[in-house]
Amino acid sequence: ETGVTQSPTHLIKTRGQQVTLRCSSQSGHNTVSWYQQALGQGPQFIFQYYREEENGRGNFPPRFSGLQFPNYSSELNVNALELDDSALYLCASSLKAGATNEKLFFGSGTQLSVL
Amino acid sequence: AQRVTQPEKLLSVFKGAPVELKCNYSYSGSPELFWYVQYSRQRLQLLLRHISRESIKGFTADLNKGETSFHLKKPFAQEEDSAMYYCALRGLNTGFQKLVFGTGTRLLVSP
Repeated sequence: ETGVTQSPTHLIKTRGQQVTLRCSSQSGHNTVSWYQQALGQGPQFIFQYYREEENGRGNFPPRFSGLQFPNYSSELNVNALELDDSALYLCASSLKAGATNEKLFFGSGTQLSVL
Repeated sequence: AQRVTQPEKLLSVFKGAPVELKCNYSYSGSPELFWYVQYSRQRLQLLLRHISRESIKGFTADLNKGETSFHLKKPFAQEEDSAMYYCALRGLNTGFQKLVFGTGTRLLVSP
């Protein structure tokens, strides 16, 4: 059983640039969600993808967007980077999009620094 | 609004002492409550969930709807319990896996 993998592990960008983060879901999982974790805070939900469609979104602006591919891998794109976007970005996969008591499997995250 | 409050940033106890990590929540509907744990240099992982009424690694948590709490307890702490603990909430029947996390409590168990 392969776990959730994220790349890259670390990234440094400049304000105004664009970034793409990648996630490979756990084998057999068709649902992926993305979280932003600022320093000293708990993870905050960005959005979820199920079968290549976004089916839930948190309080993040449209410059945060995503994709899910037929093999259930996923991307998080952030345009027009701001200093406050500096955070750890976590990807989590699960077996069923809205099932009760569903367990999320998290990746190790991508640490993004915006200068 | 959905909100999870963990009032303690750090909880320091000695090995063998009882542990209680506090979690209070705010949610207008029926919530699912979870505890996630992150050990040093490891990824965030599920510890337990209230619906399963399970005990994992000696930890238990009871959902108290009257007090809107979901405190995590263990009668005798072990050094290997040292980690970051996050309480999380999800609304039932929302159709997606949005978890609302607290800010976390770091548990430090000293020998």
